[in-house]
Amino acid sequence: ILNVEQSPQSLHVQEGDSTNFTCSFPSSNFYALHWYRWETAKSPEALFVMTLNGDEKKKGRISATLNTKEGYSYLYIKGSQPEDSATYLCVGYYGGSQGNLIFGKGTKLSVKP
Amino acid sequence: EPEVTQTPSHQVTQMGQEVILRCVPISNHLYFYWYRQILGQKVEFLVSFYNNEISEKSEIFDDQFSVERPDGSNFTLKIRSTKLEDSAMYFCASSERQGNNSPLHFGNGTRLTVT
Repeated sequence: ILNVEQSPQSLHVQEGDSTNFTCSFPSSNFYALHWYRWETAKSPEALFVMTLNGDEKKKGRISATLNTKEGYSYLYIKGSQPEDSATYLCVGYYGGSQGNLIFGKGTKLSVKP
Repeated sequence: EPEVTQTPSHQVTQMGQEVILRCVPISNHLYFYWYRQILGQKVEFLVSFYNNEISEKSEIFDDQFSVERPDGSNFTLKIRSTKLEDSAMYFCASSERQGNNSPLHFGNGTRLTVT
């Protein structure tokens, strides 16, 4: 059974702190990794889609890296702001149809002003 | 920016009743999906749909579930005879292309409560 793991489960930081969290995923039959940002009472919003080993993507203060050989991805947030508070979902896409999207449980980030 | 819309936002039904959850995907998207999240658990894939037919479904998507695209805009999920364990948040999503390079665009979800 394919399993995508995220750690930590939750994280509390102060405004201005930089932070990062991890997504671990099986390497075999791997096609892509998606990161989504999910605010309470809203729908998940796509941050990054990464496919190649060594990929690095950046969107403002948020960036992500991908290591497909060892099966992990890091998401970094530089200078956290209260509006960054959300659950960050890591989703692995595996061979076959789109149906093989495997969701992590998410990392819930709370940024205190 | 175009978005996926879902109705209703909350549906309460009695065990054994049929429910239909509705979704309007983004208009130029070709791939449609239903996911669900039981409280406290991971988001789980239910079904994907392309070219007016199911392209993939999970073990959860048994004979009690069906999907339909009755017109050019709606994409529905029907549960024929609901069970208590069907209580969950149901998310519809669409994507422009299939596969690894195309992110999903999610709706806000329908919270289904089966009593």
